[in-house]
Amino acid sequence: GAVVSQHPSWVICKSGTSVKIECRSLDFQATTMFWYRQFPKQSLMLMATSNEGSKATYEQGVEKDKFLINHASLTLSTLTVTSAHPEDSSFYICSARDQVLVLGKEQFFGPGTRLTVL
Amino acid sequence: AQSVTQPDIHITVSEGASLELRCNYSYGATPYLFWYVQSPGQGLQLLLKYFSGDTLVQGIKGFEAEFKRSQSSFNLRKPSVHWSDAAEYFCAAYNTGNQFYFGTGTSLTVIP
Repeated sequence: GAVVSQHPSWVICKSGTSVKIECRSLDFQATTMFWYRQFPKQSLMLMATSNEGSKATYEQGVEKDKFLINHASLTLSTLTVTSAHPEDSSFYICSARDQVLVLGKEQFFGPGTRLTVL
Repeated sequence: AQSVTQPDIHITVSEGASLELRCNYSYGATPYLFWYVQSPGQGLQLLLKYFSGDTLVQGIKGFEAEFKRSQSSFNLRKPSVHWSDAAEYFCAAYNTGNQFYFGTGTSLTVIP
């Protein structure tokens, strides 16, 4: 149980285009989902917290107009990288929290999406 | 500032040797503590977690971790490392303010 999927697992796009990444909780309802970015050999950096039915909360320094987050249902959150540039190339990981589980504190992570912008 | 620290950026051990990865946290109260493992190009897999109770926690793949309040530590251990354990290991903590913090990670290399 508590499986999170991401699609696509990797994507290559041209500079200036937009890319959408999906994060799904497969067997539980996730009222809260999180989006992380990870550069090579570095830790995960929280980009934003997404609550179902409301606007996402972005961390300081993250451009909300560039990284659009939508959490329209209890099982799906999407991250759209708009007008992507090579510096947006990174590994994007989502996670989801199940409010029903123990204390609701554990996050379940997706397998990540490798974005390469040419 | 609240944080999670992993002092060792990189560790190399021989296969069959014991392993200890260090993790320290800085919070006023006991946070919820986690250890994750990440293989290259992959997502994170939960090894174990500590919320309360017994301070020695058993996880998957033969890993265990011990919570020591006096040292603000949650070190990960394994008595005998396998070559397949080579990966990046992240300690993480969830505080009472619902903030989830990751350590900087420790890269483990296993020598045959």
